[in-house]
Amino acid sequence: SQTIHQWPATLVQPVGSPLSLECTVEGTSNPNLYWYRQAAGRGLQLLFYSIGIDQISSEVPQNLSASRPQDRQFILSSKKLLLSDSGFYLCAWGRGNTQYFGPGTRLTVL
Amino acid sequence: AQSVTQLDSQVPVFEEAPVELRCNYSSSVSVYLFWYVQYPNQGLQLLLKYLSGSTLVKSINGFEAEFNKSQTSFHLRKPSVHISDTAEYFCAVSESGGSNYKLTFGKGTLLTVNP
Repeated sequence: SQTIHQWPATLVQPVGSPLSLECTVEGTSNPNLYWYRQAAGRGLQLLFYSIGIDQISSEVPQNLSASRPQDRQFILSSKKLLLSDSGFYLCAWGRGNTQYFGPGTRLTVL
Repeated sequence: AQSVTQLDSQVPVFEEAPVELRCNYSSSVSVYLFWYVQYPNQGLQLLLKYLSGSTLVKSINGFEAEFNKSQTSFHLRKPSVHISDTAEYFCAVSESGGSNYKLTFGKGTLLTVNP
């Protein structure tokens, strides 16, 4: 069966610091991968998606970036965090028409 | 582009009462429809989905949803709720003919089941 992991579970970072969130999927190959952000009262916003290595699309202009160094690994990064980057970050994998979500990372920027 | 409207941000009900969480969508193309559930500080879990075929879809824990194309709706229902159903519920849509299956979510409905 497939499992998805996110690391870390929680993170508190100062404004202006860098960020790296990791997502890994087990039990499948060549999945579609997605990063979402859930901010209070704003629902889920798709940030990036990838249909293969070196194929990453950005949905929202911002100071975040994504990379896919391996088939089943998806990284969300920032060089300098903003207060507005606080939120719950969810990674998801999909094969075909359904997405399955990881446990999330709670990011607080102070 | 698609959009999803969840008409109620909060729905309080008593245990064993029926509940309906409403979801309407807008799209110029054919869609797939999903309901996800989120418990506090957890990720989203797939509850049920409509891809094609029968317009009534059911989950293993008693929820059901009906795809109504003419009303562009996909309301979620349960005839008798439990305390453990307290959670936030998200309706989502994706384009059925696409290759990336991006999801567009509604803002969520917080279901609170009271004893």
